[in-house]
Amino acid sequence: DADVTQTPRNRITKTGKRIMLECSQTKGHDRMYWYRQDPGLGLRLIYYSFDVKDINKGEISDGYSVSRQAQAKFSLSLESAIPNQTALYFCATSDFRGEGYTFGSGTRLTVV
Amino acid sequence: DAKTTQPNSMESNEEEPVHLPCNHSTISGTDYIHWYRQLPSQGPEYVIHGLTSNVNNRMASLAIAEDRKSSTLILHRATLRDAAVYYCILRDSGTASKLTFGTGTRLQVTL
Repeated sequence: DADVTQTPRNRITKTGKRIMLECSQTKGHDRMYWYRQDPGLGLRLIYYSFDVKDINKGEISDGYSVSRQAQAKFSLSLESAIPNQTALYFCATSDFRGEGYTFGSGTRLTVV
Repeated sequence: DAKTTQPNSMESNEEEPVHLPCNHSTISGTDYIHWYRQLPSQGPEYVIHGLTSNVNNRMASLAIAEDRKSSTLILHRATLRDAAVYYCILRDSGTASKLTFGTGTRLQVTL
């Protein structure tokens, strides 16, 4: 099994719908992150969590929310999806030093 | 986080060494230099990181200039599987720091 598992791998949803992307990890790391990648661009940080009781906004958090259900689980929600949220979404974990991030395989989200 | 500058793309022949440059003239004393790569249709993958001294691991070597304002990722023998986007990232060693990705260098490897 992968160290960081994202579900679903692909999703098509309609404008205005609420959608949740899930991430689970077996690394035992406290730190988890959600990134977004648009075509031809680098990754941008949406939200991050340094432990179960810690949630922080990244550079592009508007329109998104997160939940850290357990050390191993960190989910990303789009409350009311819009077409410009069509992108590739990555979850990642790291140790307490922030070194050696491990990324999931990504969720390709299309909002129509 | 301090910014880095990388060429948009580079090409290499298979089984030859590849030197991927990165400029970071505004690096601070507490910034680590990290390299990640992203293969097609995959998430980024950690390659190597360092602070001041050159570093080697099974994947690559990292050469850091004496003034730390630039660094070079060295792939000793490129293979077709090394074709990817390579990101050079500065990360402050403070506990609240995160990775901030730029657009990276797209490496093409040809036979």
